[in-house]
Amino acid sequence: GAGVSQSPSNKVTEKGKDVELRCDPISGHTALYWYRQSLGQGLEFLIYFQGNSAPDKSGLPSDRFSAERTGGSVSTLTIQRTQQEDSAVYLCASSPRLAGASYNEQFFGPGTRLTVL
Amino acid sequence: QQQVKQSPQSLIVQKGGISIINCAYENTAFDYFPWYQQFPGKGPALLIAIRPDVSEKKEGRFTISFNKSAKQFSLHIMDSQPGDSATYFCAASRVMRSSTLGRLYFGRGTQLTVWP
Repeated sequence: GAGVSQSPSNKVTEKGKDVELRCDPISGHTALYWYRQSLGQGLEFLIYFQGNSAPDKSGLPSDRFSAERTGGSVSTLTIQRTQQEDSAVYLCASSPRLAGASYNEQFFGPGTRLTVL
Repeated sequence: QQQVKQSPQSLIVQKGGISIINCAYENTAFDYFPWYQQFPGKGPALLIAIRPDVSEKKEGRFTISFNKSAKQFSLHIMDSQPGDSATYFCAASRVMRSSTLGRLYFGRGTQLTVWP
């Protein structure tokens, strides 16, 4: 079956512009995560959606970052007034998050490489 | 604050050798410890994972060793191959019935190079 897909694969933008990054999770997965990966850094958690629960936004670095998940499926990460320090690979992951499961495997997409000039 | 600390940052091993990557964590509430493998241009993929009720888990050439009292866990790659050259991330999370606890806390990664 299809894995997690993300679009665009690459995005180059000018400082100050807004960008939208899209994530299509694996069908049926209830949990969706966004992470940011900067050069030489690990994966930095941004936001987590789980079913109909309120999202965990604790990782968003500033109020310029927001995300939504429509219909429990597709998610969009929006960065307003982009800054050069926003340049990174933005990774989306989904998980079936089965109740009572003893694991939490997250399936990652290929990421969107964002470059802010 | 880095919840999971990983070392070394980079590792060079000869083909056939053993690669060892170490991680340490602070939060005793963590109860799920996966390792992810990432190739250039790709997203990370789950390699192997362990729960704290066992001290070791082996899958093929990959073994996780877990020391609960020391709050440390490590990945061992036996008979390392050039195809194993990738970045490896350890992670930790809580796996509970609660719907709000599911994020992974990642280490900063280890770039492994296996020379032929």
